[in-house]
Amino acid sequence: EPEVTQTPSHQVTQMGQEVILRCVPISNHLYFYWYRQILGQKVEFLVSFYNNEISEKSEIFDDQFSVERPDGSNFTLKIRSTKLEDSAMYFCATLGQSLDDGYTFGSGTRLTVV
Amino acid sequence: LAKTTQPISMDSYEGQEVNITCSHNNIATNDYITWYQQFPSQGPRFIIQGYKTKVTNEVASLFIPADRKSSTLSLPRVSLSDTAVYYCLVGDMGGDMRFGAGTRLTVKP
Repeated sequence: EPEVTQTPSHQVTQMGQEVILRCVPISNHLYFYWYRQILGQKVEFLVSFYNNEISEKSEIFDDQFSVERPDGSNFTLKIRSTKLEDSAMYFCATLGQSLDDGYTFGSGTRLTVV
Repeated sequence: LAKTTQPISMDSYEGQEVNITCSHNNIATNDYITWYQQFPSQGPRFIIQGYKTKVTNEVASLFIPADRKSSTLSLPRVSLSDTAVYYCLVGDMGGDMRFGAGTRLTVKP
């Protein structure tokens, strides 16, 4: 079964540092998403990406966040200057042309800001 | 985006059928209804999706009444490994799907 791969699985960073979270989508998928989940809370939408541009973004996705597909395969989420409250699980999700299968989520990156 | 309402938690016993109902009164014409399962420290996993009437796959059934203002996920003969949080999402496919608080299902022996 095709998978969405996320790296690293766990990252610890100091407050104020930049982090880049990486996702390798399923090869023929066209829609890409980032979600985050603070410990014990619900899954929150951050941003959707289609045709090499942002489609939608939430109020959480402020100027500190950016996304890109630098090489046509990887899909990255960058946080420019991390804050303590950015500590969360970050999930990448992708959706193919066959919309019947729903989103496929990666196993997540646990970001800890200290 | 249509708002969804689900019970916060449910308990069941192994071997029982579990039905989780989700209300989505403001569902739009183009919206689909999708259910996901999430185990601790894992990403959500797609269970089933439907637009109207009934959909069944190898793990669950989804019942959607004619007015589409609610939907019911049915899990036949649950086991301990079905203990998880179940999310009902409503939205236009390809659009941003927003998660609610979900239903925490606990299956007891």
